[in-house]
Amino acid sequence: KAGVTQTPRYLIKTRGQQVTLSCSPISGHRSVSWYQQTPGQGLQFLFEYFSETQRNKGNFPGRFSGRQFSNSRSEMNVSTLELGDSALYLCASSWTGISYNEQFFGPGTRLTVL
Amino acid sequence: QQQVKQSPQSLIVQKGGISIINCAYENTAFDYFPWYQQFPGKGPALLIAIRPDVSEKKEGRFTISFNKSAKQFSLHIMDSQPGDSATYFCAASKDNYGQNFVFGPGTRLSVLP
Repeated sequence: KAGVTQTPRYLIKTRGQQVTLSCSPISGHRSVSWYQQTPGQGLQFLFEYFSETQRNKGNFPGRFSGRQFSNSRSEMNVSTLELGDSALYLCASSWTGISYNEQFFGPGTRLTVL
Repeated sequence: QQQVKQSPQSLIVQKGGISIINCAYENTAFDYFPWYQQFPGKGPALLIAIRPDVSEKKEGRFTISFNKSAKQFSLHIMDSQPGDSATYFCAASKDNYGQNFVFGPGTRLSVLP
């Protein structure tokens, strides 16, 4: 069974630009969550989607947005990039998104903002 | 109150030794406590998890001890191996759905051969 895939794996952008990251969950998984990982702040929850609906959102500004498609694939968008947005962005999928359902993480997209 | 504290920040253990990582939380609404293992260049992977209705859970060499009254939980890795060298994160969740986890800052474990 294929794992969670994220594209691209690496990305370099400049301040002010926008970026879209993609996540393909494990087949059959309907919940997709996004996390930001930085050395200073650690792993922080961005948002979670289930059946194309955002069910939960972390404490991030509105520049961070996402969506989920009918095939459960998800995209995350960051507009007006800032230097502090440089991070590893992780996507995780699970069957239903219930907290004790195991979530499987992808390898992440490393975003560098110059 | 949403914070999960984790210590130590880094840990060096000899092969065959016991690795112990501790976490503490404040929000008593948390009801699910997983531990994740992350290798460089990879996403975190679930190692073991516990609900607050039990005080201990063991899976192979990995054991979670949970102290509800102290709001603390810990990961014990018995017979530590060089292949266990990774970063370990504790986490907590209070949502029945939404995968809204609060993570500890992580512990970098090095097991010397």
